[in-house]
Amino acid sequence: QVQLQQSGAELVRPGTSVKVSCKASGYAFTNYLIEWVKQRPGQGLEWIGVINPGSGGTNYNEKFKGKATLTADKSSSTAYMQLSSLTSDDSAVYFCAGGNYAGSAMDYWGQGTSVTVSS
Amino acid sequence: DILLTQSPAILSVSPGERVSFSCRASQSIGTSIHWYQQRTNGSPRLLIKYASESISGIPSRFSGSGSGTDFTLSINSVESEDIADYYCQQSNSWPTTFGAGTKLELK
Repeated sequence: QVQLQQSGAELVRPGTSVKVSCKASGYAFTNYLIEWVKQRPGQGLEWIGVINPGSGGTNYNEKFKGKATLTADKSSSTAYMQLSSLTSDDSAVYFCAGGNYAGSAMDYWGQGTSVTVSS
Repeated sequence: DILLTQSPAILSVSPGERVSFSCRASQSIGTSIHWYQQRTNGSPRLLIKYASESISGIPSRFSGSGSGTDFTLSINSVESEDIADYYCQQSNSWPTTFGAGTKLELK
């Protein structure tokens, strides 16, 4: 079955960067787009961006340009999201999700990765 | 960006009742609306796509309707396992956006 397994919780210092991973299994990695979604504590869902693992093409929410960088490694079926210049506003749970194509629903979700930014 | 307004913020129900969630878009989006369930400390789970299309593995008590700007997710007979937050998402216009969610709680 399709699974998206994310890396573990991170506690990071302000001003630094963090890289979250999302390993796909149970399907051909290039068959699904990988989307990233942010959820602050007690808040709703916010779309960060999407990567096409086959082409490496990306599309970002304007709000996250310069903050998030999405990459994918076909050899390990793993997508990555790097967040830079971290502040307390970046403390959140980050989800990866799989969708068939641009504009589709997000069919599959990872378990989420908690990122806490604190000195 | 398209704004999705979900109402009410909180719904209180008794097991066995029928419940409906509303999602209103700031402009017409056809049927490009999807619904998700998120239990406490869990990941979102896709319930309905494109307003009314069912998803394999999702109980038949969940259904969706609507087009244009007004959409509804219904649960025919609420069970205790349905206690969760429910979100709508539009994929008609970039960037995709989510509603703020409706919390379903037991009376």
